[in-house]
Amino acid sequence: DGGITQSPKYLFRKEGQNVTLSCEQNLNHDAMYWYRQDPGQGLRLIYYSQIVNDFQKGDIAEGYSVSREKKESFPLTVTSAQKNPTAFYLCASSTSGATGELFFGEGSRLTVL
Amino acid sequence: GQNIDQPTEMTATEGAIVQINCTYQTSGFNGLFWYQQHAGEAPTFLSYNVLDGLEEKGRFSSFLSRSKGYSYLLLKELQMKDSASYLCAVRGRGFQKLVFGTGTRLLVSP
Repeated sequence: DGGITQSPKYLFRKEGQNVTLSCEQNLNHDAMYWYRQDPGQGLRLIYYSQIVNDFQKGDIAEGYSVSREKKESFPLTVTSAQKNPTAFYLCASSTSGATGELFFGEGSRLTVL
Repeated sequence: GQNIDQPTEMTATEGAIVQINCTYQTSGFNGLFWYQQHAGEAPTFLSYNVLDGLEEKGRFSSFLSRSKGYSYLLLKELQMKDSASYLCAVRGRGFQKLVFGTGTRLLVSP
């Protein structure tokens, strides 16, 4: 079945450690996104990519990094520079057109101890 | 910049009708989306409006007025499983990304 797979679902990390969240899609979508969601908050865009080997910063990119070496994959690294990394992270993908809705993965919940 | 406003929380009774409003201010407009999100889960797509008017899909309908920067999601014959957050999102001009509102938490009671 086509879809988006995020892993791990739950992750604990110590302060000062980098952690990488995986996102893989088999929907053949060109665009991929990373959002962050905090309790009682909307989704805030971290990074997005419209095509392989290209990505742009979203509204809250500081302390995060991404790569887009393959169409199917868009991993997110939460670095030690991110001051408040505990959150629910959602990966999404869409077709290139303006009407393309976002399809979301099941999310990764990161807790910094 | 872009700004999207929705009520924080609403309550309704099973079997009733509820309307969730969303107002937006964006630079350019390429469509408005509604998503449903149950606690701890990923958002799922409900509807898309790019032209003025009402789009109906089963128990859910979505309305758009571009001149007023206004949309609403109408849920009929409410069921307990409709208790969730409802996210309004707008796609602006020139790029792919959606900007989300903070979401409206709907609680349906028996």
